[in-house]
Amino acid sequence: GEDVEQSLFLSVREGDSSVINCTYTDSSSTYLYWYKQEPGAGLQLLTYIFSNMDMKQDQRLTVLLNKKDKHLSLRIADTQTGDSAIYFCAEILGNTGKLIFGQGTTLQVKP
Amino acid sequence: ETGVTQTPRHLVMGMTNKKSLKCEQHLGHNAMYWYKQSAKKPLELMFVYNFKEQTENNSVPSRFSPECPNSSHLFLHLHTLQPEDSALYLCASSQVLQTSGGAGQFFGPGTRLTVL
Repeated sequence: GEDVEQSLFLSVREGDSSVINCTYTDSSSTYLYWYKQEPGAGLQLLTYIFSNMDMKQDQRLTVLLNKKDKHLSLRIADTQTGDSAIYFCAEILGNTGKLIFGQGTTLQVKP
Repeated sequence: ETGVTQTPRHLVMGMTNKKSLKCEQHLGHNAMYWYKQSAKKPLELMFVYNFKEQTENNSVPSRFSPECPNSSHLFLHLHTLQPEDSALYLCASSQVLQTSGGAGQFFGPGTRLTVL
């Protein structure tokens, strides 16, 4: 079946690194995404990784993909209070354009 | 700003009302989507349109009726809703149905719907 799992909550101190983890089930997924949702707002695409890549870095964001274990992670370096939000992992299924989302991880950044 | 706008941002309606949600994208995309986001649940895909044609109805009750008059506009018509339909309704668009290039789907800010 199609399922994406994330832990629900993560709390870090400002300046620390945050690591948000995700597991997915569909090994045929071509792209995997990280979205950010701030309170009262829609989802903002943060970054994505193609399934033939192991790592992608974009400024403070590092995405790691372990295809064998179907594990995806998002590392935020030097976490700021403005990074407090809900982070969603998502996989896309083949030709359907259907995105399967995890439940979201609430990141709380303490000053 | 993602290039996807939704109106209204908030809507309160009774169970016997009829209302419509509107979504407009200014990105030149050809695929549009409706999602429902309820508290403590993953996002649920409701409908998918590709080049104005509906390609997916994810077992959505008929009290939700989508309409896509052109590739830039998407509506969700609501009638005789139930209190459990209260949620954030998100619209998204993508360049093509299969998001080649990895650009992903771009989301609007959502309409917060409350059904009394």
